[in-house]
Amino acid sequence: GENVEQHPSTLSVQEGDSAVIKCTYSDSASNYFPWYKQELGKGPQLIIDIRSNVGEKKDQRIAVTLNKTAKHFSLHITETQPEDSAVYFCAASINTGGFKTIFGAGTRLFVKA
Amino acid sequence: DGGITQSPKYLFRKEGQNVTLSCEQNLNHDAMYWYRQDPGQGLRLIYYSQIVNDFQKGDIAEGYSVSREKKESFPLTVTSAQKNPTAFYLCATQRGPASNEQFFGPGTRLTVL
Repeated sequence: GENVEQHPSTLSVQEGDSAVIKCTYSDSASNYFPWYKQELGKGPQLIIDIRSNVGEKKDQRIAVTLNKTAKHFSLHITETQPEDSAVYFCAASINTGGFKTIFGAGTRLFVKA
Repeated sequence: DGGITQSPKYLFRKEGQNVTLSCEQNLNHDAMYWYRQDPGQGLRLIYYSQIVNDFQKGDIAEGYSVSREKKESFPLTVTSAQKNPTAFYLCATQRGPASNEQFFGPGTRLTVL
């Protein structure tokens, strides 16, 4: 089945710097790659997603890139702010007659003021 | 969060007792999911339901049971057969089989004493 690996597990950056989180997936049939942000004690919230027919997508300070050949996708956060501090999850989704989503283990991002 | 309610937020039970976690949605979404989250790990799928009166086992279904008698409700029962039930439980919904995006509830933290 699908397996999603996420790195790093912890990332600490200075306010204003960029943060990059990387994920790899194993099943070439996966065609949807969402990123979720989870604040302490809350449920994850979708922040950006990308589909397999697109190589890059940007939304203000957040961007995601996808390399289908290498089965890599990455989250880029520019001009980080303290409120970006949270746990970020990548995921890969495959249509099995409904969608099954496999999540990475998460990256805890600390943005130091 | 939005139209997904999970109650209670914190739940304590004695070992050997069954406990039922509530998940209600007013989004009119067809699919509902239960995930388990442990510290330092990603979300692992317990059960999911794509339509009323139908549900499928996820990757870690042993020791859990669900029902889907109404579109709005997808309760999860943690039975005494679940060997390590203490965890953060997340309910999610998805609009339908043609839609990838999942929406998460606020979660229930279950502690078994």
